[in-house]
Parts: sequence; structure tokens; C-alpha cells
Amino acid sequence: DAGITQSPRHKVTETGTPVTLRCHQTENHRYMYWYRQDPGHGLRLIHYSYGVKDTDKGEVSDGYSVSRSKTEDFLLTLESATSSQTSVYFCAISESRQSNEQFFGPGTRLTVL
Amino acid sequence: RKEVEQDPGPFNVPEGATVAFNCTYSNSASQSFFWYRQDCRKEPKLLMSVYSSGNEDGRFTAQLNRASQYISLLIRDSKLSDSATYLCVVIGNTDKLIFGTGTRLQVFP
Repeated sequence: DAGITQSPRHKVTETGTPVTLRCHQTENHRYMYWYRQDPGHGLRLIHYSYGVKDTDKGEVSDGYSVSRSKTEDFLLTLESATSSQTSVYFCAISESRQSNEQFFGPGTRLTVL
Repeated sequence: RKEVEQDPGPFNVPEGATVAFNCTYSNSASQSFFWYRQDCRKEPKLLMSVYSSGNEDGRFTAQLNRASQYISLLIRDSKLSDSATYLCVVIGNTDKLIFGTGTRLQVFP
């Protein structure tokens, strides 16, 4: 299995609080992604990174920001969490933009009350 | 219309059965196609890529029909361990993966 960890694995927070999720990889892959998965929706891309300090928005980026100061770490921040951001968040990595395969982390289950 | 559509199921089949799922996509410019597998409360993992000529990996066969814009996954001799959700994934002209909502398969003894 690819070396990807996510922390925390579970979190319950209150509306309006800031939340940061961390993704850490040991594969030295250039591309990193944050997705959210909700019932009735496929995995939806929030943000992705194509290198240190290089990030871009995905399909559902409103309310989220990201940072990548090191190759191995990709942080997702909810500046002011809302109940609509209750979801399962997956980090993924790939070697190249057109890579056939993305490797996913174990996911973070976030509940915003 | 969603870019990638799948029947959510569940498909309930007995061990040893053959089962097939279809997935339709709306962007005719889509270039690459995959099937991912996701176990309950786990992360998705690549099952197989789907090539224009079709491809087979053991009990699994994937097919692409560009004219009708769908891909299919056939599982022969189903095992209990095949129980999972199967995600159809398409890469369009933006180089980003578009995921279907998944088809749930439950294999019973």
C-alpha cells in the first residue's frame, strides 16, 4: 500500500470553528489532491497541488483553502466550518497529472455540528 | 445530467454468479477510463483501467463503448470478497478524475 496517512481520522467540531486536516505521504509523489465524498455524489475534487507551493482549485473549493510547504504534506483548512462540510475527506497522490492511478489515504470523517 | 452515471444498486448475487455493471459518461472527449473498488468505510483503490480494446484481469473484464459512451465491468464466478462498491472513473479533457457515485455489489453465500 502507498504510504499515505491522514490526521485526524475522525473529528467532531462546531459550526464556525476552523479545522485543519493533514495529509502526509512518503512516496515523494508530485501531485496531491483533496476530495470529499458524500452520499449521492461521487468523490468531488476540492483542491489539488502539483508541487510545493503550487495549488489549484477543484470543483468544490468554496470554503476551503490548502497549503503545501513540503512535498510530503498537504493541508486542507476549513476557515469557518459549516454543517454542509460534514463529509468524509480523502487525500490522494499521483506521480503525474495524467497518471492512471491515484492512491488514496484512509480518509477523515468530519462532523460539523 | 451528471458527467458520470452509475446504477447505485445494490446488486445482490449468489456466490458463483456473473454480474455486470454499466457506467455512462457525458463528455465525448473523455480519454481515460477506470474502475475503482471501495470497501465499506475504506478508501477507493484502482481495480483496473479500461482500454478501447477491452481488457481482462482474472475474473474481471472491462469494456469501453465509445459510440454509446459507456463502460462496463463484468465479474465472473463472484466471491464473497467481491462485495464492495465499484466506482466508475473518467478522465476528461481537464485531466481531472470524475468519479461516479458507485454501484454496490453484495455477494451472498
